[in-house]
Amino acid sequence: DAGVIQSPRHEVTEMGQEVTLRCKPISGHDYLFWYRQTMMRGLELLIYFNNNVPIDDSGMPEDRFSAKMPNASFSTLKIQPSEPRDSAVYFCASSPGTMETQYFGPGTRLLVL
Amino acid sequence: EDQVTQSPEALRLQEGESSSLNCSYTVSGLRGLFWYRQDPGKGPEFLFTLYSAGEEKEKERLKATLTKKESFLHITAPKPEDSATYLCAVQETTSGTYKYIFGTGTRLKVLA
Repeated sequence: DAGVIQSPRHEVTEMGQEVTLRCKPISGHDYLFWYRQTMMRGLELLIYFNNNVPIDDSGMPEDRFSAKMPNASFSTLKIQPSEPRDSAVYFCASSPGTMETQYFGPGTRLLVL
Repeated sequence: EDQVTQSPEALRLQEGESSSLNCSYTVSGLRGLFWYRQDPGKGPEFLFTLYSAGEEKEKERLKATLTKKESFLHITAPKPEDSATYLCAVQETTSGTYKYIFGTGTRLKVLA
């Protein structure tokens, strides 16, 4: 298996622009997680899905952030409008179960100017 | 407030110099504690899961232990390739949903 795939790997945008991050989980994994990592706050869980349904989005920082999972093999995290403080590395992870190992993608490094 | 604290923030060891990393937590309803390794520019990579106090797991030079309030990652005779950031995470359940809380990590540097 190719593992969790994320795109793009790097994104540079200007404040106010819409940003869409994409994730393809490992086939057969029922859980998908979106995380944000910064030096100051470490790794923060933003939202997770079970069987394509959002279960807990309490970590989503603001209404500017939204996530969707239209099918078992694809998820997006959208920021609209983007702000400089959104600059971070965004990771997607998938897992076969809640008590199972999470497999992380390589991350998307986002820089908002 | 639920919290996961890792110490030290950074650690430099000579090759072969054994040490331990600490992860202390204050959560209600702990379901599991996870250790991950993260190399620069990459996503975290799973190492261990511990479920109950007294449990221990080993992998090569690494050994993870769990008590009711903290976990230790013991590194025996480390090598330069063990240099990485080690992350601890706890999973708790609240009202039927699961929370994953990560610590900020320990940056380990092993010198040859």
